[in-house]
Amino acid sequence: EPEVTQTPSHQVTQMGQEVILRCVPISNHLYFYWYRQILGQKVEFLVSFYNNEISEKSEIFDDQFSVERPDGSNFTLKIRSTKLEDSAMYFCASSQLAGLTDTQYFGPGTRLTVL
Amino acid sequence: AQSVTQLDSHVSVSEGTPVLLRCNYSSSYSPSLFWYVQHPNKGLQLLLKYTSAATLVKGINGFEAEFKKSETSFHLTKPSAHMSDAAEYFCVVSFYNQGGKLIFGQGTELSVKP
Repeated sequence: EPEVTQTPSHQVTQMGQEVILRCVPISNHLYFYWYRQILGQKVEFLVSFYNNEISEKSEIFDDQFSVERPDGSNFTLKIRSTKLEDSAMYFCASSQLAGLTDTQYFGPGTRLTVL
Repeated sequence: AQSVTQLDSHVSVSEGTPVLLRCNYSSSYSPSLFWYVQHPNKGLQLLLKYTSAATLVKGINGFEAEFKKSETSFHLTKPSAHMSDAAEYFCVVSFYNQGGKLIFGQGTELSVKP
């Protein structure tokens, strides 16, 4: 069964450093998403992406965040200058469509630790 | 405001007994509702979804959920718990014209005792 994959599973970085989290969505999917979960808190929507453009973004997704689909398979989340509060589990998801009822398929997550 | 609340952060049941995980939502519009499950070190897996076709929705692994508009609830049930059901369960809502944005409840950890 096709699945969303994410690398690395765990990333440790120093405050102020740039990190890139990588995701490989399901191959025939057109819509891509990033969510994050700070320890002990809810899973929060960050951004949705379609046709090489951001469709929707949350207040969390400020100028230090960016997303890119550099080739036909990868979808990346870049954090330019990490802060302690960026420590969280980051989930990538993809869906064929973005209708109200379309299923988003999630990857296993990348745990980001900022020291 | 649009939100979703899971009423229990942790539920513990014995194997073979029923499971009830509670979820309420708040919305001015008709939402779509989902339950996802997360096993340790795994991605979030869709259990079932409500899409306004039928109020009682059947999902994988014997789970089902009933949409009750009058109570703004979407509780998840299973008649008989199995050890493999132990996981974190998330009630999730999506709303029209939100770019696919999902709103998550805080999650309920289900423990199953032998």
